[in-house]
Amino acid sequence: EVQLVESGGDLVQPGGSLRLSCAASGFTFSNYWMSWVRQAPGKGLEWVANIKQDGSEKYYVDSVKGRFTISRDNAKNSLYLQMNSLRAEDTAVYYCARGAYRGGVVVGVDYWGQGTLVTVSS
Amino acid sequence: DIQMTQSPSTLSASVGDRVTITCRASQSISSWLVWYQQKPGKAPKLLIYKASNLESGVPSRFSGSGSGTEFTLTISSLQPDDFATYYCQQYNSYSPWTFGQGTKVEIK
Repeated sequence: EVQLVESGGDLVQPGGSLRLSCAASGFTFSNYWMSWVRQAPGKGLEWVANIKQDGSEKYYVDSVKGRFTISRDNAKNSLYLQMNSLRAEDTAVYYCARGAYRGGVVVGVDYWGQGTLVTVSS
Repeated sequence: DIQMTQSPSTLSASVGDRVTITCRASQSISSWLVWYQQKPGKAPKLLIYKASNLESGVPSRFSGSGSGTEFTLTISSLQPDDFATYYCQQYNSYSPWTFGQGTKVEIK
C-alpha cells in the first residue's frame, strides 16, 4: 500500500525557517517524480514544487523561488521541503504527493499524504 | 504562467442530477489536464487524467472531455458521495503546474 507521511509542520514567526519531511513507503520511491502542494485554510490547492527521480531537476512556483528548496534522499525514501524567510501567506497545509505515471508520462499526482500544517504568525 | 479558470465556483444540485463543471486555460495545454475531487479535511483524489481518461477505481458516472483551452468534468447522475470540491490542474510541462480555483458541489 502506498503511504506518504508528512511531518515537520509547526507555528513559526515571519522570517523564520522550517523543514518539512515526507516518508514514503509501499512503492519504489526512486522511480517517481515527487511534488509538494499546499492549501491555505479555506482556500484552493496551490502547487509548490516538483523534483525529478534523481533530484537533477527541480521546479518551483514563483512565490517560493529563492526561499524554498525541494530535495530528496532516495536511500531513505524521503522527500523534503526546506522553507526559509517564511511569510504569513505561506500558512497552509502542505501535502507531499507522488507523480502519477500513465502511459509512461507524468499526469499530475496520484497519491497524497495527509498533510502537515505550517502556520506563520507572530 | 498558464492560468486555469473554473466555473461555476459553487454548484447546487440534487441527487440524480447531471452536473457539468468547466475549466478554461489561458493558453493551449493540449490534453494535459487532470481533475481531482476533495472532501473536507481530506487529501484530493485523482479522478480523470489527460483530460478524458478515467482513473482506475473511479465510478463511470464521472467523465472528462476537451482539449486546447476548454475542458469539462461531467457527473452523469450525482450521488450522495459526490458532494465535494472539484479542481482541475494543468501539467503542460513539469513547471509550473497550476490548479483551478475549485468548484464546490453542494446539496440543493
